[in-house]
Amino acid sequence: RKEVEQDPGPFNVPEGATVAFNCTYSNSASQSFFWYRQDCRKEPKLLMSVYSSGNEDGRFTAQLNRASQYISLLIRDSKLSDSATYLCVVRGGSYIPTFGRGTSLIVHP
Amino acid sequence: ETGVTQTPRHLVMGMTNKKSLKCEQHLGHNAMYWYKQSAKKPLELMFVYSLEERVENNSVPSRFSPECPNSSHLFLHLHTLQPEDSALYLCASSHSPQGDGYNEQFFGPGTRLTVL
Repeated sequence: RKEVEQDPGPFNVPEGATVAFNCTYSNSASQSFFWYRQDCRKEPKLLMSVYSSGNEDGRFTAQLNRASQYISLLIRDSKLSDSATYLCVVRGGSYIPTFGRGTSLIVHP
Repeated sequence: ETGVTQTPRHLVMGMTNKKSLKCEQHLGHNAMYWYKQSAKKPLELMFVYSLEERVENNSVPSRFSPECPNSSHLFLHLHTLQPEDSALYLCASSHSPQGDGYNEQFFGPGTRLTVL
């Protein structure tokens, strides 16, 4: 099993739709979790950290399920500008953050 | 300048050339990282520096040589590269290198390297 797994997609959704991505991780000792967004040919940028109790930032909601070892990202009311690749990042206590391959989202008119 | 900057943004080099990539962070962070991103692959961590000391070398070939003269600057020296080394090289920084706490990384824009 890969350390961090994501469905590469692409997820192709219309504007206004709600879309959800999951990311599974294999290391039960993982301590911190993040979602990054990467636009084509650009660097990854932090979208949001994922807290144990779940957290929301506008149209974006992140959840952590430690028992099943996955995190999720929910995007409500999708905008064209949400089109990007969403990277899941998991960190344990070591120096090495582990990135997933990313999930591609395409929002169309 | 703010954030993390990288130069050059694009680099084309032959297999016998020697070149260096530069990264600078203006965030007061103590940890810096080099990543390689190839097409259709996840980000690959290459090196981690904490307070100018290398703390992680992720089985990277010796043709890549990092240097961290201070906590704000990071270099990646390149020599006798191969065409398969062509990729986007990203620098990142974070407050500390440890995985505990919400220690997010901030990335530079990357150097797109092409090896002929």
